[in-house]
Amino acid sequence: LAKTTQPISMDSYEGQEVNITCSHNNIATNDYITWYQQFPSQGPRFIIQGYKTKVTNEVASLFIPADRKSSTLSLPRVSLSDTAVYYCLVGDMYLAAGNKLTFGGGTRVLVKP
Amino acid sequence: IAGITQAPTSQILAAGRRMTLRCTQDMRHNAMYWYRQDLGLGLRLIHYSNTAGTTGKGEVPDGYSVSRANTDDFPLTLASAVPSQTSVYFCASSPTSGGPSSYNEQFFGPGTRLTVL
Repeated sequence: LAKTTQPISMDSYEGQEVNITCSHNNIATNDYITWYQQFPSQGPRFIIQGYKTKVTNEVASLFIPADRKSSTLSLPRVSLSDTAVYYCLVGDMYLAAGNKLTFGGGTRVLVKP
Repeated sequence: IAGITQAPTSQILAAGRRMTLRCTQDMRHNAMYWYRQDLGLGLRLIHYSNTAGTTGKGEVPDGYSVSRANTDDFPLTLASAVPSQTSVYFCASSPTSGGPSSYNEQFFGPGTRLTVL
């Protein structure tokens, strides 16, 4: 069961790039890394997912080093509406047995004007 | 509009009572999940279902049961509620239960806020 560790919180300013790193030293070969965003009183929303190297979509980039023991979510040019909690999720999406999905504690990102 | 619905939105329940939280999705997703979210603890998986007719235990299954009679519905039952089950409960679904080569995205419902007194 891969445990994840993220910073509890970080502050940024509008227009800046925000990078959140998640540590997952015990990641398994079949595990994927997924990031979610959550606003207050709402369910989490998928941002990006990857297995290795770099993945980019219209919202964010995900950097995964060769050893896969950590990953970094990069949010370019954040706005006030990006203020949310960001969760790092590591797990084999095929839940054949047991609790293989693990959410990190979440990082509370506050974007200031 | 396609998505996941949960009911009720919120509920206050006396300890010892039985309660079923409802979850319905209309995206024809194979896999469904129940999580609970407590302040400072993030989301924890309670139960999951890879496909209709099958269920499995997650990280914190004690005190909860689920059933998956069809693709769309995945109810979560608290047989005898206790105050420690006070939490926000999220249901989620994903298109496939996956495998090492598949990419999956979980779609979450709006949540049910449950208070057990």
